Amino acid sequence: ETGVTQTPRHLVMGMTNKKSLKCEQHLGHNAMYWYKQSAKKPLELMFVYSLEERVENNSVPSRFSPECPNSSHLFLHLHTLQPEDSALYLCASSQSQGRGETQYFGPGTRLLVL
Amino acid sequence: AQSVTQLDSQVPVFEEAPVELRCNYSSSVSVYLFWYVQYPNQGLQLLLKYLSGSTLVKGINGFEAEFNKSQTSFHLRKPSVHISDTAEYFCAVSSNDYKLSFGAGTTVTVRA
Repeated sequence: ETGVTQTPRHLVMGMTNKKSLKCEQHLGHNAMYWYKQSAKKPLELMFVYSLEERVENNSVPSRFSPECPNSSHLFLHLHTLQPEDSALYLCASSQSQGRGETQYFGPGTRLLVL
Repeated sequence: AQSVTQLDSQVPVFEEAPVELRCNYSSSVSVYLFWYVQYPNQGLQLLLKYLSGSTLVKGINGFEAEFNKSQTSFHLRKPSVHISDTAEYFCAVSSNDYKLSFGAGTTVTVRA
C-alpha cells in the first residue's frame, strides 16, 4: 500500500450504531487530519494530530471521537450520529504541521446515516 | 480570518479547449495558495501551490496558476484540456498557520 488509505470506503449506519473509520498513511508523515466534505460546501477541518497529540478540535460535536495510536494510524469513532452527519470523511497527512506543507489525502469514507 | 471564493461552481468545456478556473481570497496577511483536484471516487491531490517567488506557478498535468496580490486572486489555467481532466477543483489558502481554508469547488466537465 502506498499513500493514504481509508477503510471502509462506504458505510451505512443507524443513528444508534457505533462504528469507526480507519486511516493509515504510508508516507512517514507526522501530522494527520480529519475533514468532512459535504456536497457543494468547502471542506471542513475536524481534527488535527501532530506527533500523535491532538492539536485541533474544530468545534466538532462529541459524537465524533478521534484516536491516534501512532503516527501512521488515525481513527474516527462514531456514536449516535444524526442524518446531517452523512458526508464524505477524508483523512489527510503531511510531513509536519507547518504552514505551506502539502497535505496528502485518502480516498475517503462515504457515510450515510439513516 | 481568511476565506476563499471560487466564482464558478460548474465549468463545461470541450476537449482541447482552454479552461480557466477563478479563485479569489480574502486575508489581511500574507498567504500561501493551493489548488487541489479531486477525481471521481478519489481523495484530493495537489496540483500546485504558491509559497513565494515567481507569481506564475506551474503544476502537474499541464496546469498553471498566477498569483495576483493586488486582485487577491489565484486563477488556474490549462491551455488544452483532456477528457481525463474531468474532476472537481478546489482552491485553498493558508495565512497565519497550517490550516487550509477551502473554496466550495468547481466541477469541470470535459466533453468530446
